[in-house]
Amino acid sequence: DTAVSQTPKYLVTQMGNDKSIKCEQNLGHDTMYWYKQDSKKFLKIMFSYNNKELIINETVPNRFSPKSPDKAHLNLHINSLELGDSAVYFCASSQTGIGEQYFGPGTRLTVT
Amino acid sequence: RKEVEQDPGPFNVPEGATVAFNCTYSNSASQSFFWYRQDCRKEPKLLMSVYSSGNEDGRFTAQLNRASQYISLLIRDSKLSDSATYLCVVNMASNYQLIWGAGTKLIIKP
Repeated sequence: DTAVSQTPKYLVTQMGNDKSIKCEQNLGHDTMYWYKQDSKKFLKIMFSYNNKELIINETVPNRFSPKSPDKAHLNLHINSLELGDSAVYFCASSQTGIGEQYFGPGTRLTVT
Repeated sequence: RKEVEQDPGPFNVPEGATVAFNCTYSNSASQSFFWYRQDCRKEPKLLMSVYSSGNEDGRFTAQLNRASQYISLLIRDSKLSDSATYLCVVNMASNYQLIWGAGTKLIIKP
């Protein structure tokens, strides 16, 4: 059983397009996250939701919009994609906001 | 000063050797500490939580020094499969955010 899953695993698209990445966790955790890892490999948090409520919203362009339909799902929608959005996006979940996090396999986004 | 700081490496170590990583953090109120490993093109995976009393899991030992604000990870009898990037992670007590170090790359050579 996959604990944290993401779809798609790979996403290649052109500049200006809109795309979504989906994340689901079956661990019963209350908190979910989106991270971006760029070519320099630094892991940077973007958003965090606790029980469907946004609690962390780092400085990211407002072209990025998270949505949590329920506490097991956290999706990421990106409008007007730019070359600089190319990165690996990881979803993660944790039982509490300060506990260990469990990651999905990542979505490798390439914008051409 | 960075909130969480690690030596970027890479550490090139022969198989069987002992290797140690240190990580310093800036917020003295931090409560939770973790070591994760990340293999190339894979997601980070939890290696160990770090407790005040220190903890050991097989060949891996993690320690916390609150006075000096650093955590350490010791790997004994290193294996080829230990090659990965090791990430130090610290909780910022004031919010739900874990702060990630940039990672230390470890290469174990036969």
